[in-house]
Amino acid sequence: GAVVSQHPSWVICKSGTSVKIECRSLDFQATTMFWYRQFPKQSLMLMATSNEGSKATYEQGVEKDKFLINHASLTLSTLTVTSAHPEDSSFYICSARKTATTGELFFGEGSRLTVL
Amino acid sequence: EDQVTQSPEALRLQEGESSSLNCSYTVSGLRGLFWYRQDPGKGPEFLFTLYSAGEEKEKERLKATLTKKESFLHITAPKPEDSATYLCAAGFQKLVFGTGTRLLVSP
Repeated sequence: GAVVSQHPSWVICKSGTSVKIECRSLDFQATTMFWYRQFPKQSLMLMATSNEGSKATYEQGVEKDKFLINHASLTLSTLTVTSAHPEDSSFYICSARKTATTGELFFGEGSRLTVL
Repeated sequence: EDQVTQSPEALRLQEGESSSLNCSYTVSGLRGLFWYRQDPGKGPEFLFTLYSAGEEKEKERLKATLTKKESFLHITAPKPEDSATYLCAAGFQKLVFGTGTRLLVSP
């Protein structure tokens, strides 16, 4: 199998604070991880592509200074939402690619962020 | 522009009532068509990958098929536990996701 673990599952924070979400591939090494955002009843929107040991590639319209992504090892990527505001409240999901030759992604359980 | 469109948006079935979900795509450089299941408040769970027209894959009550322009997810004799949102995605390096079909199977 391919297990991706995401933590925390949900977090509530005050406006202006920063929140870190961790994504780990438990039984494989992931050279590439992806961070998505999902609004209710909407599709997954790709925020950024994270490659181990290099800077993340952000999608158009995603503020790289607000959504800091670090991919420190082949099994861990982190997303930090800096100076969070209520409009950042959303469901954030990470995914990892198991091999470079197939396209399927394996997803974490998701993290529900609520900014008060 | 790469696009994935799923229909219907929502589908309600009686237990045992077979049906199909549709996913049409226009993606440049298509390398794969992927189906996922997503339960409320959870991340998507991988179901199938299809690479070429004519390919079919099965898993329990689900069968996915692929043509050059669309894919179908056939659900045979569904059970209430099959209730979920089914997502389709296309591409390779970056996957483009559809908005999903919310399936509700009533006992």
